[in-house]
Amino acid sequence: KAGVTQTPRYLIKTRGQQVTLSCSPISGHRSVSWYQQTPGQGLQFLFEYFSETQRNKGNFPGRFSGRQFSNSRSEMNVSTLELGDSALYLCASSLGVATNEKLFFGSGTQLSVL
Amino acid sequence: GENVEQHPSTLSVQEGDSAVIKCTYSDSASNYFPWYKQELGKRPQLIIDIRSNVGEKKDQRIAVTLNKTAKHFSLHITETQPEDSAVYFCAASDSWGKLQFGAGTQVVVTP
Repeated sequence: KAGVTQTPRYLIKTRGQQVTLSCSPISGHRSVSWYQQTPGQGLQFLFEYFSETQRNKGNFPGRFSGRQFSNSRSEMNVSTLELGDSALYLCASSLGVATNEKLFFGSGTQLSVL
Repeated sequence: GENVEQHPSTLSVQEGDSAVIKCTYSDSASNYFPWYKQELGKRPQLIIDIRSNVGEKKDQRIAVTLNKTAKHFSLHITETQPEDSAVYFCAASDSWGKLQFGAGTQVVVTP
């Protein structure tokens, strides 16, 4: 069974631009969560989607948005990029029976904002 | 919302010794507590989890204990090996079902 796939693996953007990250969950998993990882800050929860609906949301500004498609694939968008948005963005999928149990993480997208 | 504190931030142990990582949480309604291990350059992976109706769970050399009254839970690794070197994250599920992670503990096992 293929694992969680995130594309692209690396991204370099400049301030003010926008970016879209993609996540393909494990086949059969209906929940996709997104996390921001920065050194010393651990994993900060962005949002979670289940059956194309946002089920939970973290404390990030509205510049961060996401969506989920009918095949459970998810995208995350960040508009008007700031230097502080530089981070590793991880998505995780789960069966989704319970919101957040037994997450399987992707390898992440490393975003650098210059 | 939920707040999870994790200590220590770094932990150096001799191979064969035990390692203990402690986490506290703030939301008394939290009911699910997983631990993830992230090796350098790799993705986080679930190593063990516990629900609030269980006080202790063990899987080979790792165990997790939960004290609901004190709102803290701990990861115990016995007979540490070099492959245990990694960053370990605790997490707690808040009353809304959101998973809040601790800041992580860098464990270094020296031969």
